Amino acid sequence: GAGVSQTPSNKVTEKGKYVELRCDPISGHTALYWYRQSLGQGPEFLIYFQGTGAADDSGLPNDRFFAVRPEGSVSTLKIQRTERGDSAVYLCASSLSAGANVLTFGAGSRLTVL
Amino acid sequence: RKEVEQDPGPFNVPEGATVAFNCTYSNSASQSFFWYRQDCRKEPKLLMSVYSSGNEDGRFTAQLNRASQYISLLIRDSKLSDSATYLCVVNTIPAGRRALTFGSGTRLQVQP
Repeated sequence: GAGVSQTPSNKVTEKGKYVELRCDPISGHTALYWYRQSLGQGPEFLIYFQGTGAADDSGLPNDRFFAVRPEGSVSTLKIQRTERGDSAVYLCASSLSAGANVLTFGAGSRLTVL
Repeated sequence: RKEVEQDPGPFNVPEGATVAFNCTYSNSASQSFFWYRQDCRKEPKLLMSVYSSGNEDGRFTAQLNRASQYISLLIRDSKLSDSATYLCVVNTIPAGRRALTFGSGTRLQVQP
């Protein structure tokens, strides 16, 4: 596609529920990144993929967070047993390759956990 | 200590003013440096890369001081449309292993 597409744009859920956030990167971009941004903060790195594999998942806060990219294109960020502290904007970005430093971000998925 | 530190602002300046933002980074092995711009409730977008020799793009000038681990962004002749949050960004780990690290951002409000 022309840009990075993220769905849903907004998600409101209750504490303890399971949530999936989807990212469709720019066609041909092999590297895909997930960041999380809380109010007044910069984006915080979560995980990045080179192709289908997670090249670096050191930013995932705990084992409730998991991400997949089974065919090397679309990625899904999965959050189990959501907590109020998970409320944030989840940003996805892609780049031509992992060595490229220019990231193109999607508009984000705003998650609110009540 | 955060990897990338910025003054959060806000910087309130009149149209036409010159304003400068600073950023410090903690890892001397950092290799690549950028400024991203983020409008309210929008995604970050690349404003410019920062090179050791300093670089300019229209009204924007970026500089890097490796010895002091310090990056700056200068905006001349501020426009109302420059109002945004400016994020200092560093790639600390060699390219191919890790994504970019973002500062918390400096908010700029240009007033008429």
